[in-house]
Amino acid sequence: EVHLLESGGDSKQSGGSLSLSCAASGFTFSKYAMAWVRQAPGKGLEWVAAISGGGGSTYYSHSVNGRFVISRDNSRNTVSLQMNSLRVGDTAMYFCAKDQGGSCGTDCYPTGVDDYWGRGTLVTVSS
Amino acid sequence: QSELTQPPAVSGALGQRVTISCTGTYSNIGGGYDVHWYQQFPGTAPKLLIYVNNNRPSGVPDRFSGSKSGTSASLAVTGLQPGDEADYYCQSFDSTLNAWVFGGGTKLTVL
Repeated sequence: EVHLLESGGDSKQSGGSLSLSCAASGFTFSKYAMAWVRQAPGKGLEWVAAISGGGGSTYYSHSVNGRFVISRDNSRNTVSLQMNSLRVGDTAMYFCAKDQGGSCGTDCYPTGVDDYWGRGTLVTVSS
Repeated sequence: QSELTQPPAVSGALGQRVTISCTGTYSNIGGGYDVHWYQQFPGTAPKLLIYVNNNRPSGVPDRFSGSKSGTSASLAVTGLQPGDEADYYCQSFDSTLNAWVFGGGTKLTVL
């Protein structure tokens, strides 16, 4: 059974940094891209970042590009999100999601279909 | 403001059929990129409902169906049940942003 467990959510001041982690189990981790999606309180979903199965390709939304870094450790089945220069607008529940995957060539690239999700971890940024 | 536009809310009577639209542009849906749909109940994580326009993951009832045409996509729910009350989000890839994007979400109410 696929299981994703996020951790690291906290309250921070604007300009600060925070690292989120997602522990995965129940599937061959290195064969699937992973993503982070966030949801501000009372708002809709916002795609944040994705990383290929081998970690060689990363993708970011314009709102976090240059401030957040997604990475993964396939030996530990974890994917992380390093969040720098935090803004009040980054306040949200952050979900880790497994990509459904497709055929892997030199790497397993994201398809955008997130078939399993964690329960999320809350990040609050204050001014 | 999302690149994919959904109605904020739709409603339908018990047992009836409703559709939720997702309107995009030529940089996303109209550019041939696939559309996926997610269902989210309050306080829980989203769940994949429809992928690649009209495919259901195992376990999703065939009361849920998806379609895509031009720059738009739709989610149809037939035989409405009280348990269908949730928020629904469409998602696609946007070539201008070079990123995946979600619609703003639609709250479905069963009357």
